[in-house]
Amino acid sequence: QSALTQPPSASGSPGQSVTISCSGTGSDVGGHNLVSWYQQHPGNAPKLLIFDIDMRPSGVPDRFSGSRSGNTASLTVSGLQAEDEADYYCTSSAGSNTVIFGGGTKLTVL
Amino acid sequence: QVQLLQSGAEVKQPGASVKLSCKASGYAFTNYYLHWVRQAPGQGPEWIGVISPSGINTFSAQNFQGRVSMTTDTSTSTVYMELGSLRSDDTAFYYCARQSKHPHSLDYWGQGTLVTVSS
Repeated sequence: QSALTQPPSASGSPGQSVTISCSGTGSDVGGHNLVSWYQQHPGNAPKLLIFDIDMRPSGVPDRFSGSRSGNTASLTVSGLQAEDEADYYCTSSAGSNTVIFGGGTKLTVL
Repeated sequence: QVQLLQSGAEVKQPGASVKLSCKASGYAFTNYYLHWVRQAPGQGPEWIGVISPSGINTFSAQNFQGRVSMTTDTSTSTVYMELGSLRSDDTAFYYCARQSKHPHSLDYWGQGTLVTVSS
């Protein structure tokens, strides 16, 4: 099964908003509400940012928001801060109790 | 606090098998599924599989079926993953991660175990 499609890079200046897309199919992103987003800083394990398309775990700032339209999910980071510079990955259920990751997007804060 | 403590780095020859462990603490082990995810250097993560805490239910990615085995030991709150027929492209960090109360979202991760496959 192919990875979900994410842009390899994104960037924005401090205070701006950036949106990262995650494209799949009706068998994964479009067919399940089980889309999550993770942030990963170099040398660390991924950190859960968003689950169930648009829900935030406690402790995650509301600057991070998720959405979905058709077979594409999106992560928006508002009010960019230097510490947001990291890699971001989406995941989705792919049916039959399996999970698929996106290829990842490197976010640069200019 | 929730902790997932993974076993140490491994170096294996091509064709060998590796068995990794992940010891959970700080929560009720029997209430949460555990996933395995790997990440090759400089690459994105790749989902390997998931196991129920009882060990009765396991699901794995098609790429790993027939080559991966996951088990649990509820007496020690430990999950194991064995990967066989190792190849050089299996070289990666291997993470265990707890599935939250929301299916397929992973809220706590282990520190990772580096597996190097080299002759």
